[in-house]
Amino acid sequence: EDQVTQSPEALRLQEGESSSLNCSYTVSGLRGLFWYRQDPGKGPEFLFTLYSAGEEKEKERLKATLTKKESFLHITAPKPEDSATYLCAVRSYLKTSYDKVIFGPGTSLSVIP
Amino acid sequence: DVKVTQSSRYLVKRTGEKVFLECVQDMDHENMFWYRQDPGLGLRLIYFSYDVKMKEKGDIPEGYSVSREKKERFSLILESASTNQTSMYLCASSVGGGFNQPQHFGDGTRLSIL
Repeated sequence: EDQVTQSPEALRLQEGESSSLNCSYTVSGLRGLFWYRQDPGKGPEFLFTLYSAGEEKEKERLKATLTKKESFLHITAPKPEDSATYLCAVRSYLKTSYDKVIFGPGTSLSVIP
Repeated sequence: DVKVTQSSRYLVKRTGEKVFLECVQDMDHENMFWYRQDPGLGLRLIYFSYDVKMKEKGDIPEGYSVSREKKERFSLILESASTNQTSMYLCASSVGGGFNQPQHFGDGTRLSIL
């Protein structure tokens, strides 16, 4: 069964303390992996799309990487405004129907000043 | 910027009622989606639509239906609301090409069924 998991469930960092969030997936035929950021009371906001192993994308303090089994979201020198829930979503190939996108449960990041 | 607007932020309804959740997008996107978001379960797809009057079931369509009479508007209908449908409902849209493009989300409707 296709599955997306994220770890840790919650992460507390001091301002400036770099770390990584993990997204692991088991899907039949990866077609793309998306990272989103979700602030409390808001809908998810798109960050990155990765398509193939070895690919990397960067935006400000965030860098996303992709392997054949997992993706990492690296946060360098985080600031309090980076506090949010980070969601990953995997697009997988279905022979008989439209592709589908499976969302992970998210990692809640808190950055303490 | 793409704007996806959901008609209500909070909604309280009673068991057995027929409930309508409305979503409007302003970017002429072909695809529209309805998800529910529950703690620890992530977003789960209820229905999506790739064109006017077209719809496809997602992973959890039971107890729901949808309507897309105009390109910009996608409605989610709870035929007979039950307490297990208490949740955060999120609408999203994307340009055409199936699930290839990133989705743009509204801010959600928090629905409570009493």
